[in-house]
Amino acid sequence: DTGVSQNPRHKITKRGQNVTFRCDPISEHNRLYWYRQTLGQGPEFLTYFQNEAQLEKSRLLSDRFSAERPKGSFSTLEIQRTEQGDSAMYLCASSPGSKWFTEAFFGQGTRLTVV
Amino acid sequence: EDQVTQSPEALRLQEGESSSLNCSYTVSGLRGLFWYRQDPGKGPEFLFTLYSAGEEKEKERLKATLTKKESFLHITAPKPEDSATYLCAVQADERSQGNLIFGKGTKLSVKP
Repeated sequence: DTGVSQNPRHKITKRGQNVTFRCDPISEHNRLYWYRQTLGQGPEFLTYFQNEAQLEKSRLLSDRFSAERPKGSFSTLEIQRTEQGDSAMYLCASSPGSKWFTEAFFGQGTRLTVV
Repeated sequence: EDQVTQSPEALRLQEGESSSLNCSYTVSGLRGLFWYRQDPGKGPEFLFTLYSAGEEKEKERLKATLTKKESFLHITAPKPEDSATYLCAVQADERSQGNLIFGKGTKLSVKP
């Protein structure tokens, strides 16, 4: 395991459909983060997990978004009833849990296009 | 409100022409400042962490420095393969629960 893995890399969906993304973090990392990035912007925080517990959600995470991390391993991000404004790169990152403030390592992202 | 501003938005250099990228921040309590490199269509790649004013980190042609209000990423004798968007991010006080606040990035182009 050499890094954070995200699947799929690309997803095209019709407006109104549901989509689910998967993230496999670096194996020894306790913390897992989801970010969203649109063109020309830096990543924006969505939510984060400490092991299996979801500890924080951004106000960007509307009721149509849900994230899980069963058993503290991989995580899924689901978007229900997708809208065109959901089109973005969805990034997952993980970091060691030994200190609060340490670097996070990102995956390659899932590019979502809602048509 | 915690904020990160990067300048310039874009920078074009000739190969070998050294320069600096700026990241200014206003946060209630800085716990860490991070630099990332991002290639088109890829996720950010971690470069440096800085925790306190006066701290410096180096990696190949890159050197990151930190003051109480800003950070600089110095690029010495850049090569075309250094072309990328460079992102700066901060972790603020405990209220942020460890998430990162990013700037919009500086897009660097190095021409041979």
